[in-house]
Amino acid sequence: QLHLEESGPGLVKPSETLSLTCSVSGGSLNRDSYFWAWIRQPPGKGLEWIGSTFYSGTTHYNPSLQSRVTISVDTTKNQFSLILTSVTASDTAFYYCAKHQGSSWSEPWFDTWGQGTLVTVAS
Amino acid sequence: QSVLTQPPSASGTPGQTVTISCSGSFSNIGSHSVYWYQQLPGTAPKLLIYRSDQRSSGVPDRFSASKSGDSASLAISGLRSEDEAHFFCAVLDDTLRGLVFGGGTQLTVL
Repeated sequence: QLHLEESGPGLVKPSETLSLTCSVSGGSLNRDSYFWAWIRQPPGKGLEWIGSTFYSGTTHYNPSLQSRVTISVDTTKNQFSLILTSVTASDTAFYYCAKHQGSSWSEPWFDTWGQGTLVTVAS
Repeated sequence: QSVLTQPPSASGTPGQTVTISCSGSFSNIGSHSVYWYQQLPGTAPKLLIYRSDQRSSGVPDRFSASKSGDSASLAISGLRSEDEAHFFCAVLDDTLRGLVFGGGTQLTVL
């Protein structure tokens, strides 16, 4: 059974870089033809799609975050990662990694989610 | 402020039917399939509905959804206490060139 787990620092200082990793078990990033995504949720608020990646390195980002976001894949470790630069307090959120059902990034069809990790931006 | 508008709250008593709306535009709901998620307190969202009206595996048939024009709706019949959760709609938006979620609706079972 597919399992996703987010990891990374829970506290990041303003203006610094947020870095998270999603470890995939029970499936293979480079064998299974799916897109993989990052989604975030400020505490008590709604969901925001950050971006999606394919094992080949193809990525699609939320245009509102594109200038600060990089999503990459490490198939040797069966992981994909999120980097968000120049963070501010408004980037404080639960960050989820998720798997798209299917090989299209353009459907918000997320059938498997990690449990989420809270990242707080504060000095 | 999301381009998809959901009522912030909805409520019903056990056994009732509750409907949650998701209003958009031609660039999103009017052109693409809608997806619905349920988020129980302290947990990750769970897929309920895909491609506007298809129940995900294991989702009870008390949950149903439809789409008409630029709007979509999720109906929950035979309301149960364990249905109390946040519900989100999601869709591709052509104008924003990305995936968008509604603001979410908190369902309370009275």
